[in-house]
Amino acid sequence: DIQMTQSPSSLSASVGDRVTITCRASQSISNYLNWYQQKPGKAPKLLIYAASSLQSGVPSRFSGSGSGTDFTLTISSLQPEDFATYYCQQSYSSPFTFGPGTKVDIK
Amino acid sequence: EVQVLESGGGLVQPGGSLRLSCAASGFTFSSYAMSWVRQAPGTGLEWVSTISGSGGNTYYADSVKGRFTISRDNSKNTLYMQMNSLRAEDTAVYYCTKGYCTSTSCPPDYWGQGTLVTVSS
Repeated sequence: DIQMTQSPSSLSASVGDRVTITCRASQSISNYLNWYQQKPGKAPKLLIYAASSLQSGVPSRFSGSGSGTDFTLTISSLQPEDFATYYCQQSYSSPFTFGPGTKVDIK
Repeated sequence: EVQVLESGGGLVQPGGSLRLSCAASGFTFSSYAMSWVRQAPGTGLEWVSTISGSGGNTYYADSVKGRFTISRDNSKNTLYMQMNSLRAEDTAVYYCTKGYCTSTSCPPDYWGQGTLVTVSS
């Protein structure tokens, strides 16, 4: 099975900050990497699929990059509505594992 | 408008069974893979199972393999999860999800509101 790790597990940031979250796969997953945002009590929301493709309706301040085993989610200028937990997920092979999550809170 | 709506959650004793349903609308149901993802209280997301659009291919997490069965009725636009031999560690909110494209490797782009399954005596 492919294991997913994320770093950091949490971070504190201010509105306007540039935020970067990394995700690493235990083996190459090409570009089969997706990013989700989840707010408390809500269902997750797909932000990025195929490592770098922005889901429809997602603000352009979100971007993704990487291939193989190392991936990055970047928020170029953090907005108040971006404080949430972010998860990566590989869709290369079953089981389609999620990372443990990165909580972004207010500094 | 795409909608997926789960039902069937509740309290069940260890060793018991439960069947979750997910009613889908607003898209051509048979064309898309569907999945179940769960989240235990205070923890992260766990992929549980995926089924192809035709229902011919199914995939399971090791933690539920042999106990859970995913299925779909394309004539009723409904996804199911039959859960047997339930354990305390199966306690979670279960989300029904729709893949954003037709392949089973397409990630979910629509999620239901979730249904809570509690396994406890």
